[in-house]
Amino acid sequence: LAKTTQPISMDSYEGQEVNITCSHNNIATNDYITWYQQFPSQGPRFIIQGYKTKVTNEVASLFIPADRKSSTLSLPRVSLSDTAVYYCLVGEPGGYQKVTFGTGTKLQVIP
Amino acid sequence: EAGVTQSPTHLIKTRGQQATLRCSPISGHTSVYWYQQALGLGLQFLLWYDEGEERNRGNFPPRFSGRQFPNYSSELNVNALELEDSALYLCASSPLPFRTGEKYEQFFGPGTRLTVL
Repeated sequence: LAKTTQPISMDSYEGQEVNITCSHNNIATNDYITWYQQFPSQGPRFIIQGYKTKVTNEVASLFIPADRKSSTLSLPRVSLSDTAVYYCLVGEPGGYQKVTFGTGTKLQVIP
Repeated sequence: EAGVTQSPTHLIKTRGQQATLRCSPISGHTSVYWYQQALGLGLQFLLWYDEGEERNRGNFPPRFSGRQFPNYSSELNVNALELEDSALYLCASSPLPFRTGEKYEQFFGPGTRLTVL
């Protein structure tokens, strides 16, 4: 099971772009990279998932270099409502693997 | 479409008692996952059920157990409660099987806040 390393916390001003990087040096061939967002006292919410290169949806972009040993979640023009904990997960979707959320990155958006 | 539901919202027990937490997955989802989130910590994987069977288990003692019913709802039982079992217990569901190229997502419920006194 690939271990992930993320910064514990980050601060950003409203309107800025935020990039959160996750390291996963022992990612396996079948592993996907998934990011979740969690607000206090709520369950996590899926943000984005990718396997390689770049994935973009309506809320975020995910950049994955060719060696796939790291990934970067990019949140464009953050607002106060983006203050949350962001988790990077690496694992084989649908497989018989434990999916470990870790402690995540606590993003604080400052007005 | 209704999301994942969990009951009760809050549960207060004393040490040594048993707690039962319930989860109803999204209709059509066969997989149910249970996680424990102690205050200030990340999510710790507890159990994974699919098609009525336990598929995987996290590093928790045997007093944490559960089951999945024919309608895919699930129950988490915690016996001989200890103070450190106080946490937010989250249930998630997902459809299976995963097909290469498809987005794989776990849908989380609001959680049950268990307090052990």
